[in-house]
Amino acid sequence: DAKTTQPPSMDCAEGRAANLPCNHSTISGNEYVYWYRQIHSQGPQYIIHGLKNNETNEMASLIITEDRKSSTLILPHATLRDTAVYYCIVKMSTNAGKSTFGDGTTLTVKP
Amino acid sequence: DTGVSQDPRHKITKRGQNVTFRCDPISEHNRLYWYRQTLGQGPEFLTYFQNEAQLEKSRLLSDRFSAERPKGSFSTLEIQRTEQGDSAMYLCASSLSSGSHEQYFGPGTRLTVT
Repeated sequence: DAKTTQPPSMDCAEGRAANLPCNHSTISGNEYVYWYRQIHSQGPQYIIHGLKNNETNEMASLIITEDRKSSTLILPHATLRDTAVYYCIVKMSTNAGKSTFGDGTTLTVKP
Repeated sequence: DTGVSQDPRHKITKRGQNVTFRCDPISEHNRLYWYRQTLGQGPEFLTYFQNEAQLEKSRLLSDRFSAERPKGSFSTLEIQRTEQGDSAMYLCASSLSSGSHEQYFGPGTRLTVT
């Protein structure tokens, strides 16, 4: 699985969009990008995933660059409850077993 | 609640004792994963099952660790002769083996070895 690089921490004002970047410059053609988040003292929670097209669901949007070397998770209207550690993961294919988590980005949403 | 459940939520044990944790996955999920997480780090993969077959084990899973999923439903993770370095959060997750493969995590079991 390709290695990912994320900033260790970010702040965002409540009600504003939070844009979390992830670099995955060694991603290969059949690797998907997954995002999870972990709120303090809870297990990680799946957010969204994509291959090459931008994706949107009720929680967030995922923007993947055309060369697929980086992506951005967008929380359109951040709330205090979005304060968490956000993990960007690249997996060989959707048939792969394990997920390899890095240290993630700690997002702090401030009032 | 039909999510992933883990038992116990907290376990304090003395060094050298054996401990066993249980995970009950989402009922229709045929894949089950174990991860370990220490403070300030992301979860580290330990092992996973598809149905009752253990398909992959991490090098982190020393011979003191054993995991089972005898009937392809719940799973147990046993740690023998615990060491202080085993203190961590042990997370269980489950998923389908088809479709988008997103993993659903349980709340974890926090182990403290004194």
